[in-house]
Amino acid sequence: TQLLEQSPQFLSIQEGENLTVYCNSSSVFSSLQWYRQEPGEGPVLLVTVVTGGEVKKLKRLTFQFGDARKDSSLHITAAQPGDTGLYLCAGVRSGYALNFGKGTSLLVTP
Amino acid sequence: DAGVIQSPRHEVTEMGQEVTLRCKPISGHNSLFWYRQTMMRGLELLIYFNNNVPIDDSGMPEDRFSAKMPNASFSTLKIQPSEPRDSAVYFCASSPRTSGGDEQYFGPGTRLTVT
Repeated sequence: TQLLEQSPQFLSIQEGENLTVYCNSSSVFSSLQWYRQEPGEGPVLLVTVVTGGEVKKLKRLTFQFGDARKDSSLHITAAQPGDTGLYLCAGVRSGYALNFGKGTSLLVTP
Repeated sequence: DAGVIQSPRHEVTEMGQEVTLRCKPISGHNSLFWYRQTMMRGLELLIYFNNNVPIDDSGMPEDRFSAKMPNASFSTLKIQPSEPRDSAVYFCASSPRTSGGDEQYFGPGTRLTVT
């Protein structure tokens, strides 16, 4: 059973477009992390959100944690080819365990 | 500082053979995780070590899988005998925090193909 559902599964856009990807669950998480994974590499942490309703910005990336701490979104403004990769969300319920979604595969073409 | 180091990067083996994957965590990190990634199931936690002690191995698929951490700087994941359904990318990750709930640093992975 997948605790975290990510959508869309695949996204192909042109450089300069905006996009939003979603991470949803019926479970409450103490915190939620977003990772980006490039081909042939391991995931790299982008951000951790902890408080319900929290919004964090990382340059052109905006992350939001839902009020009930069950869902999150990632919005990218003016996407660039360097944003291409697999975006994974991971929820922390207690202690050490990270529950990963299957990811959104993003392709940004020039 | 070097990141998490995994070897080999690619492994191709025949069904029934023993496979050993290796991991060197970041120096000073207390927690170590082994994950498996497939298209169908995504990233799955196999086992978690804290201070070299296995804390949770509930994700290990079956008895064919075993993991060890003899010291703070080395861990192995062994599959014996290997089967085609074990084909996946295996990641090792380490974390500086005892709880491990925060930032995890992933290695580049080992792509395993069992024919």
